[in-house]
Amino acid sequence: GENVEQHPSTLSVQEGDSAVIKCTYSDSASNYFPWYKQELGKGPQLIIDIRSNVGEKKDQRIAVTLNKTAKHFSLHITETQPEDSAVYFCAAAEFDSGGGADGLTFGKGTHLIIQP
Amino acid sequence: GAGVSQSPRYKVAKRGQDVALRCDPISGHVSLFWYQQALGQGPEFLTYFQNEAQLDKSGLPSDRFFAERPEGSVSTLKIQRTQQEDSAVYLCASSSTFQVHRGGYTFGSGTRLTVV
Repeated sequence: GENVEQHPSTLSVQEGDSAVIKCTYSDSASNYFPWYKQELGKGPQLIIDIRSNVGEKKDQRIAVTLNKTAKHFSLHITETQPEDSAVYFCAAAEFDSGGGADGLTFGKGTHLIIQP
Repeated sequence: GAGVSQSPRYKVAKRGQDVALRCDPISGHVSLFWYQQALGQGPEFLTYFQNEAQLDKSGLPSDRFFAERPEGSVSTLKIQRTQQEDSAVYLCASSSTFQVHRGGYTFGSGTRLTVV
């Protein structure tokens, strides 16, 4: 089955600086890679996702890059703000041509701390 | 409703007790997933429904775990003869399409189960 490794487990950055979180996956058949933000006591919230037919996707201060050959993908947050403090999870899944879904395989999470 | 609703929010069970956790997905969402999240870990897939059909239950850790969604809306995750290792947050997620990767999931806030 799929195995997703995520680093670092904790990341502390100064407000306004950039943060980068990296994940690797093992199953070359995986073709969908979402990122989730989880605040204390809440469920994960999708912030951005990427499919394997593109190498990069950007949404305002958040971007995700994907390297299929190396089987790794990264989350980039620029101009960090205090409200970005949370736990971030990467995930991977394989979807067939009909869109049929198995469950997502998640990384262990990164605790992002934004220092004022 | 506006989001995925899970109840109860917290459940303390004595070892050996049976528990039932409820998930109310967003109205009309056809896909429903259950995940287990241990403290400090990423969510782990348990089972998946498409309407009332349970298409994948490969993540259920033992035959003490049972999930149902008889009318294709509300789902219940039942754990029989609870054990301490069952202590975790149980997350429910739903999606409006069969092609989950197009819409992403909406997660509930979870039920925190503590077995004493």
